[in-house]
Amino acid sequence: EVQLLESGGGLEQPGGSLRLSCATSGFTFSNYAMSWVRQAPGKGLEWVSIISGSGGRTYYADSVKGRFTISRDNSKNTLYLQMNSLRAEDTALYHCAKTGVVVGAGTARVYFDYWGQGTLVTVSS
Amino acid sequence: QSVLTQPPSVSAAPGQKVTISCSGSSSNIGNNYVSWYQQLPGTAPKLLIFDNNKRPSGIPDRFSGSKSGTSATLGITGLQTGDEADYYCGAWDSSLSVVLFGGGTKLTVL
Repeated sequence: EVQLLESGGGLEQPGGSLRLSCATSGFTFSNYAMSWVRQAPGKGLEWVSIISGSGGRTYYADSVKGRFTISRDNSKNTLYLQMNSLRAEDTALYHCAKTGVVVGAGTARVYFDYWGQGTLVTVSS
Repeated sequence: QSVLTQPPSVSAAPGQKVTISCSGSSSNIGNNYVSWYQQLPGTAPKLLIFDNNKRPSGIPDRFSGSKSGTSATLGITGLQTGDEADYYCGAWDSSLSVVLFGGGTKLTVL
C-alpha cells in the first residue's frame, strides 16, 4: 500500500524558513518523480514543484521559484521542500504526491496518482 | 498561473449524468495529456482520470474523460450523493514548463 506522510508544517513569520518532509512507503521511491501541491484555505489546487526520480531534474511554479527548493533522499525514501523567504501568500496545506511524468519532446504527461494528507503552513506575524 | 478554465459549479439530480469542462490552449491541453482529480470535503485529492481518458484501478466506469482540441471533459454518470466534491483538471504547459490546474468545479447532487 502506497503511503505518503508529510511533516514539518507550522506557524512561521514572513521572511522565515521551513523545511517540509514527506516520508513514503509501499513503492520503489527512486523509480518515481514526486511533487508538492498546495492548497490555500478555501482555494483550489496549486502545483508547486516536481523532482525526477533521480533528483536530477526539477521544475518550479513561478510563485516559488528562487525561494523554494525541492529535493529527495532516495536512501531514506523521503521527499523534501525547503521553503525560504516565506510570504503570507504561501499559507496553505502542502501535499506531497507520487507523480507520473514524461516531459520534453512530444506529448507531455503529468499526473498525481497518490497524495498525502498534507501539512499546514501558516505564514503570519 | 491557473490558465485552465473550469465552471465554478455544476449540479444534477441523483442518477443523472453531468459533464465538467476544462478549457486551455495549445501549449497545455491542446498538445499534452489531461488528468482529473476528485476532492471530497476535508480529504486529499484523488486521481480519477489520467492520459485524457484512462481510469486508475478502482475508479468506477461511471467516470470518463475525453479531449477535443484545447478542451477536455470529465463525465460522471449515475450520479450519487457521494459524488459531491470539488473536481480539478490538470495538464503540463510546454511553453511555461509548469503544471497547471483548473480553478476547480464544485459538483452538487441535488
